[in-house]
Amino acid sequence: SQQGEEDPQALSIQEGENATMNCSYKTSINNLQWYRQNSGRGLVHLILIRSNEREKHSGRLRVTLDTSKKSSSLLITASRAADTASYFCATDDGGATNKLIFGTGTLLAVQP
Amino acid sequence: DGGITQSPKYLFRKEGQNVTLSCEQNLNHDAMYWYRQDPGQGLRLIYYSQIVNDFQKGDIAEGYSVSREKKESFPLTVTSAQKNPTAFYLCASKRGEAGANVLTFGAGSRLTVL
Repeated sequence: SQQGEEDPQALSIQEGENATMNCSYKTSINNLQWYRQNSGRGLVHLILIRSNEREKHSGRLRVTLDTSKKSSSLLITASRAADTASYFCATDDGGATNKLIFGTGTLLAVQP
Repeated sequence: DGGITQSPKYLFRKEGQNVTLSCEQNLNHDAMYWYRQDPGQGLRLIYYSQIVNDFQKGDIAEGYSVSREKKESFPLTVTSAQKNPTAFYLCASKRGEAGANVLTFGAGSRLTVL
């Protein structure tokens, strides 16, 4: 089952601009994670935000979480061509099954 | 270097054939997962295993089988019962982070049915 829905599905920006991606989910969560996938490759974990946190930073990444709206956003500042990839949110309900449920992804293209 | 190795990277199969995708990890992770990814879509969970000799069905287990005889290995067999097996398959394992499930992924295996 798909828990998260990313918005937009695709985003094209110029180098140096900021990129914002949004994720909405349906059920209660323990934490929400963002992953990056380069074309034809596996996913790489970027950042995790817990349900009791509202904002988190890691380098050029800023993640926010609004549990009342069941939504999260990922902001990439000062984007680079190397940031071109698909970005996925994944929710963890903290249950015994230890399963993450992934969204449908946002394809980001950063033009040099 | 620790990581997850998936093989083969590309695989072609004729209809009616079973194929097995390999997944090996040297991260000493207990839990391992198989996901399927179709073009423009997210990841869907096929099977997962939290300990050796135990595994559970995910959301789309029909037509697939797995085994977990060793901690390091979690092979996935795509059987002839899987009607639409052409996809990108991703194996992952879980590292603990204060109770959070953070996954480490392999590079993937792309299966094409001819």
